[in-house]
Amino acid sequence: RKEVEQDPGPFNVPEGATVAFNCTYSNSASQSFFWYRQDCRKEPKLLMSVYSSGNEDGRFTAQLNRASQYISLLIRDSKLSDSATYLCVVGFNFGNEKLTFGTGTRLTIIP
Amino acid sequence: EPEVTQTPSHQVTQMGQEVILRCVPISNHLYFYWYRQILGQKVEFLVSFYNNEISEKSEIFDDQFSVERPDGSNFTLKIRSTKLEDSAMYFCASSLAGGVLTFGAGSRLTVL
Repeated sequence: RKEVEQDPGPFNVPEGATVAFNCTYSNSASQSFFWYRQDCRKEPKLLMSVYSSGNEDGRFTAQLNRASQYISLLIRDSKLSDSATYLCVVGFNFGNEKLTFGTGTRLTIIP
Repeated sequence: EPEVTQTPSHQVTQMGQEVILRCVPISNHLYFYWYRQILGQKVEFLVSFYNNEISEKSEIFDDQFSVERPDGSNFTLKIRSTKLEDSAMYFCASSLAGGVLTFGAGSRLTVL
């Protein structure tokens, strides 16, 4: 089983739609969870950390289900600028982080 | 916004040559990292560095690789004798604590 597994997509979604991504991780001892976004040939940039209680940042909502080892990201009212690859990222320790990345889910927002 | 800076942005080298990639982490950050991404593949952890020593390394980070923080600002990755399969984008990252990493723009290494 892959350490962090994501549907690679691509997801082609019309502007204004809602889109959801899912991710599963294999290490039940994982401690920290993130969504990063990566534009083509650029560095990963933190989108949001993910907490067990769920968290929201504007149009973005992230959820963590530790029992199922499952992380989700919901994007509402999608914009053209949301087109990117979304990386599910899991860490084992706080602080000194060896992060494990998923392969990413590619999203294209269509005008 | 503070950023992690990396040089060079692109380096082309011959197989067997030594390469040094340079990074300037965010000034008050305590943890430093190198990751790499082979074209079309996922981002992979190479090494983490804290308190002037390696704290963790992956199996990719073999004897051909080394890291150094020669002064208070730079953090370097050296590949002693490059192989074709070392061709990748190398990302430096730093963090204050708590796992939130800030990545540099990357150094693209092409080994011929």
